[in-house]
Amino acid sequence: GENVEQHPSTLSVQEGDSAVIKCTYSDSASNYFPWYKQELGKGPQLIIDIRSNVGEKKDQRIAVTLNKTAKHFSLHITETQPEDSAVYFCAASSREVTFGIGTKLQVIP
Amino acid sequence: KAGVTQTPRYLIKTRGQQVTLSCSPISGHRSVSWYQQTPGQGLQFLFEYFSETQRNKGNFPGRFSGRQFSNSRSEMNVSTLELGDSALYLCASSLARGRVNTEAFFGQGTRLTVV
Repeated sequence: GENVEQHPSTLSVQEGDSAVIKCTYSDSASNYFPWYKQELGKGPQLIIDIRSNVGEKKDQRIAVTLNKTAKHFSLHITETQPEDSAVYFCAASSREVTFGIGTKLQVIP
Repeated sequence: KAGVTQTPRYLIKTRGQQVTLSCSPISGHRSVSWYQQTPGQGLQFLFEYFSETQRNKGNFPGRFSGRQFSNSRSEMNVSTLELGDSALYLCASSLARGRVNTEAFFGQGTRLTVV
């Protein structure tokens, strides 16, 4: 089955700096890569996704890149704000969705 | 449009008991997936239902089961509860058109504590 590795597990950045979270996947059949943000006491919320026929996608301060050959994909958050503090999950999907272990992002004001 | 609704939000059960959790998907969504979330294991896939049929199943023992009704609402059942079943159980719904993966929307989860 699919295996998704995510790192780092924790990340602290100063407000205004950028944050990068990286994931790798194993199943070349995976074709959909969503990223979720989970705040305390809430369910995960989709923040951006990318399909295997696209290399990069951007939405305001958030961008995702995908390297199908290397089976890598990354989340980039620019100009971080305290409200970006949360746990972020990457996922890879073919028949089912497999999640990474999560990255706890702390943005220090 | 109402989001994904999970009930109850919190549940405390004793070892050996059974429990049923409920999930109402977003109107029009026919796919419902269940996940177990624990601090050490992250989000683990339990199963997916589509049009009342189980379409995929994760690596969980047979004590974990589910079903989906004609209105797409889904229930998940865990029998003979163990302490290790304590977790946040999340439900996600999506349109799931054919083989094309679509955005999944999560509920707030049911926090199950087994004592």
